[in-house]
Amino acid sequence: QKEVEQDPGPLSVPEGAIVSLNCTYSNSAFQYFMWYRQYSRKGPELLMYTYSSGNKEDGRFTAQVDKSSKYISLFIRDSQPSDSATYLCAMSASKNNAGNMLTFGGGTRLMVKP
Amino acid sequence: GAVVSQHPSRVICKSGTSVKIECRSLDFQATTMFWYRQFPKKSLMLMATSNEGSKATYEQGVEKDKFLINHASLTLSTLTVTSAHPEDSSFYICSARTNEGRFFGPGTRLTVL
Repeated sequence: QKEVEQDPGPLSVPEGAIVSLNCTYSNSAFQYFMWYRQYSRKGPELLMYTYSSGNKEDGRFTAQVDKSSKYISLFIRDSQPSDSATYLCAMSASKNNAGNMLTFGGGTRLMVKP
Repeated sequence: GAVVSQHPSRVICKSGTSVKIECRSLDFQATTMFWYRQFPKKSLMLMATSNEGSKATYEQGVEKDKFLINHASLTLSTLTVTSAHPEDSSFYICSARTNEGRFFGPGTRLTVL
């Protein structure tokens, strides 16, 4: 079993839909959780960075962490075709910001159709 | 967020040659940088951790003599792929951290003919 599981998709939604992307993990030591967006042939772009359980909102994006269930989510409201990309979750056990060891999910490919 | 740049963005070389990839932190200092490799439709695979002023730490299975890393300053780390072969063709991405998270460069696509 992988430390971080993420459905590879592809996830296809119509423009304007609410998108829910999820990751589950097995290491209870993980405390820092990140979501990255990666366009084809580009480096990952940090979207959200959260610490421990709870919600964090930034524009159309909401990150949610449930440590008791070892489950994190990224919600995208009013999805746009420009949101079409691969979304990677990542997490770390280090207390020093994002630490050295970052464990990635496999990524979910999202397609938002006009 | 913090900005990490990479150069070149794309390189094509002949088998047997060496290729150097630069990674720079543009608006912050990075004592530690990370080098990743990514295959098509796959997630990132950590190759090595680059430490300013000291030797890099390589992940298991990554040949240190094949992938030379130099972190000469707080804003620059370089990865040199020595005697490149077609199987080294891949997307190489560097990363650096700040208190606000881990930031990645735009990547370098290496094609070895």
